[in-house]
Amino acid sequence: GQQVMQIPQYQHVQEGEDFTTYCNSSTTLSNIQWYKQRPGGHPVFLIQLVKSGEVKKQKRLTFQFGEAKKNSSLHITATQTTDVGTYFCAGPVSSGGSNYKLTFGKGTLLTVNP
Amino acid sequence: GAVVSQHPSWVICKSGTSVKIECRSLDFQATTMFWYRQFPKQSLMLMATSNEGSKATYEQGVEKDKFLINHASLTLSTLTVTSAHPEDSSFYICSARRTGGYEQYFGPGTRLTVT
Repeated sequence: GQQVMQIPQYQHVQEGEDFTTYCNSSTTLSNIQWYKQRPGGHPVFLIQLVKSGEVKKQKRLTFQFGEAKKNSSLHITATQTTDVGTYFCAGPVSSGGSNYKLTFGKGTLLTVNP
Repeated sequence: GAVVSQHPSWVICKSGTSVKIECRSLDFQATTMFWYRQFPKQSLMLMATSNEGSKATYEQGVEKDKFLINHASLTLSTLTVTSAHPEDSSFYICSARRTGGYEQYFGPGTRLTVT
C-alpha cells in the first residue's frame, strides 16, 4: 500500500533559525496535506497542495509540492517558540467510490530553544 | 467554523469494561468521520472510516468487534471500546470531513487508560 515517509523525525533549532521537513510518497499523490500538532493537542490542518510544482506561503511557512507529485516540503523561516510541535504530511488514498482516507507520515517534531 | 468536539476528553476504566467515545461536528455536516489512535510521540494510526448511515470500514488489523463504530447522524460518530484491556490504553482522536471538502478537522482527542 501507499507509504508516506517523513524526515527528519526530530529537529531542534535555536529561535531564529530556519527549519525544513521533507515528505516522500511511494506513489504519485493527487494532493498532499500538512497538519500541525502542538504538544498535548490535536492535529490542525495547515494547507493542501494540488498542482505539480506548487508553492504556497503562509507568513513564515513555505510549502512545496514536487514536480512528480511524490514529494513535498515545509520550510519555516526564522523559527519562533510558537512553531513548536509535530508537523505531519498526509496523502490521500482512495477507500472506494469518491471516498478517501489519509495516510500520515510519522511527523517531524520541532523544538525551538528560545 | 469547522469545530469537532470529542467526549470524554479522558477516561479511566477497569479491565473488562466498555467505554464509549463520542465525536461531534458542531458547525458542519460530516458525511465521513475517521477514528485514529495515537501512541506517545508517534504518528496517527487510522483505525476506521465511518460513513453516515453505513457500516464503518476498518483498517487491516483493527478488530471490528472490539472497536464498535456507529455513525448515526451527519454530526455524530461514536467509538465503543468493548472489553477494554490495558493494551487498549491510548489517545483516540476522531476527525471529520465536510461533505465535498478535503481537509480533516480533528477533535481534541480522548485519553483512555485501562487499569
